[in-house]
Amino acid sequence: QKEVEQDPGPLSVPEGAIVSLNCTYSNSAFQYFMWYRQYSRKGPELLMYTYSSGNKEDGRFTAQVDKSSKYISLFIRDSQPSDSATYLCAMRKAAGNKLTFGGGTRVLVKP
Amino acid sequence: GAGVSQSPSNKVTEKGKDVELRCDPISGHTALYWYRQRLGQGLEFLIYFQGNSAPDKSGLPSDRFSAERTGESVSTLTIQRTQQEDSAVYLCASSWGLAGGRSGELFFGEGSRLTVL
Repeated sequence: QKEVEQDPGPLSVPEGAIVSLNCTYSNSAFQYFMWYRQYSRKGPELLMYTYSSGNKEDGRFTAQVDKSSKYISLFIRDSQPSDSATYLCAMRKAAGNKLTFGGGTRVLVKP
Repeated sequence: GAGVSQSPSNKVTEKGKDVELRCDPISGHTALYWYRQRLGQGLEFLIYFQGNSAPDKSGLPSDRFSAERTGESVSTLTIQRTQQEDSAVYLCASSWGLAGGRSGELFFGEGSRLTVL
């Protein structure tokens, strides 16, 4: 079983809809949580990061962490065609030296 | 340039040949990572360099894989006797500190796409 599980999609939504993404993990040692966005044939780029359980909002993006359930989410409001990409969750242990990534969810926002 | 630079961007090789992939990190970044991304999959950790410390090689899949880094600059990933299952995009990332610090921000290059025939 992988340490971090993520539905590969694809997830297809109409422009303006809310995109809901999530990851589950098995190792309670993970303390830092990130979402990366990866456009086709590009490297991933950091979108958001959170440390504690709860919500964090940045513009149209909201990240949620529920450590008790080992479950993290990313919501994209008012989705745009430019949001079409693969979204990867990533996490790190408190003293860890590397990020562990989920498999990524491909999102397609149709105009 | 300002970002992480990787070369070659594409490499096609025959099974059994050796390949060398290069990464130029962002200047001043002490940490450097190599990840592998197979088609339609997530990122698989390979190796990590941090300053002058011994590298963390725990993700290297076999002894055919090796990597070096000169100080806090260029890194090369070498794959010997390539196999078809080595076909993937090899991504290099750098950061200022341990795993990007609290934010976990790694700065990735665009990757080297390796195809083994």
